[in-house]
Amino acid sequence: GNSVTQMQGQVTLSEEEFLFINCTYSTTGYPTLFWYVQYPGEGPQLLLKVTTANNKGSSRGFEATYDKGTTSFHLQKASVQESDSAVYYCVLTNTNKVVFGTGTRLQVLP
Amino acid sequence: GALVYQYPRRTICKSGTSMRMECQAVGFQATSVAWYRQSPQKTFELIALSTVNSAIKYEQNFTQEKFPISHPNLSFSSMTVLNAYLEDRGLYLCGARETPNTEVFFGKGTRLTVV
Repeated sequence: GNSVTQMQGQVTLSEEEFLFINCTYSTTGYPTLFWYVQYPGEGPQLLLKVTTANNKGSSRGFEATYDKGTTSFHLQKASVQESDSAVYYCVLTNTNKVVFGTGTRLQVLP
Repeated sequence: GALVYQYPRRTICKSGTSMRMECQAVGFQATSVAWYRQSPQKTFELIALSTVNSAIKYEQNFTQEKFPISHPNLSFSSMTVLNAYLEDRGLYLCGARETPNTEVFFGKGTRLTVV
């Protein structure tokens, strides 16, 4: 079946530190992979997406590489800001199925 | 741009009563609409998925009898939570897509509190 695993429930960093959020997936075929961000009181918003294996997506300083070999789609940012504090979801879609990871709460301290 | 509106944003209902929530996709042609419930622990549960030219498909643990959904078209969908109880609390999200494998546009959700 389809699944997405985010091992980190919470990540706490100080401003300007490097962010790495782990995501691995399991599926068949050729999924599209996304990172969504959810701020308090809001619905999830698309952060970035990658449709083709071995490509990289980037947005607002965040980037993730669709690695078919390791079935991973880790999210990185070189220097986080306090405004990046939110919950980040790794998401997979394969035809009509949409599968969410459990989310990683990022807290960035000033 | 593509937007999904949900209303009401929050609602409180007495235990055993029902409440209806609505979802509207604007700025794009939705070909699938899904309803999710997000628990306080922030995990997503898919309630049901509607796709163009197909019947509404409910996931395990969710039934049409408890969560009836209607939509004259996929740009507008409404869902009712019948006989709401404490375990039905959460943020109900509507997500719509233009085509398979494309991004899901989410509304801001309807937060249901049951007292």
